[in-house]
Amino acid sequence: DGGITQSPKYLFRKEGQNVTLSCEQNLNHDAMYWYRQDPGQGLRLIYYSQIVNDFQKGDIAEGYSVSREKKESFPLTVTSAQKNPTAFYLCASSIDNFGVGRPSGNTIYFGEGSWLTVV
Amino acid sequence: KQEVTQIPAALSVPEGENLVLNCSFTDSAIYNLQWFRQDPGKGLTSLLLIQSSQREQTSGRLNASLDKSSGRSTLYIAASQPGDSATYLCAVFDNYGQNFVFGPGTRLSVLP
Repeated sequence: DGGITQSPKYLFRKEGQNVTLSCEQNLNHDAMYWYRQDPGQGLRLIYYSQIVNDFQKGDIAEGYSVSREKKESFPLTVTSAQKNPTAFYLCASSIDNFGVGRPSGNTIYFGEGSWLTVV
Repeated sequence: KQEVTQIPAALSVPEGENLVLNCSFTDSAIYNLQWFRQDPGKGLTSLLLIQSSQREQTSGRLNASLDKSSGRSTLYIAASQPGDSATYLCAVFDNYGQNFVFGPGTRLSVLP
């Protein structure tokens, strides 16, 4: 079945530790996104990528890093510089019909999310 | 900067009622608007997508309308059921920022 797979579902991070959240999609979508969701708040964009080997900072990129070496994969690393990382993280993807650098705004599909807790 | 708000933040209704959820956005230069459903601890599922040139979309018991000039959208749910209980989020695709901007959601509880 086509879809977006996030792993792990639950992750615990110690102080000063970097952790990586995995996101894989088999929808053949060009664009991929990482969002953070805190209780009672909307989704906030961390990073997005419209094409392989290219990505852009979102609204809250500080303390996070990403890579896009393959079309189907967009891992997110939460670094020790992120002082308040406890949150629900959502990966998403969408078709980019307008070519390089011009997202089309088609329907966006989400993974099931990953919970990150600092211990 | 585009901002999206949703009213009410939470809503509780008895089963069978028709209800309306509201979404407002500050900049009318949008490409489309989408309504999503989120169950607790889960990802978002797209319910309806309205392109900027459209006025409404329907899917089963759901009807979404869009008034771009006034910066408003509504999601109408007919004959609500307990299974409709979830958080409903709206999002616009912003022409300037060229990205999705989400509202905080409305938490709906349908009581049997």
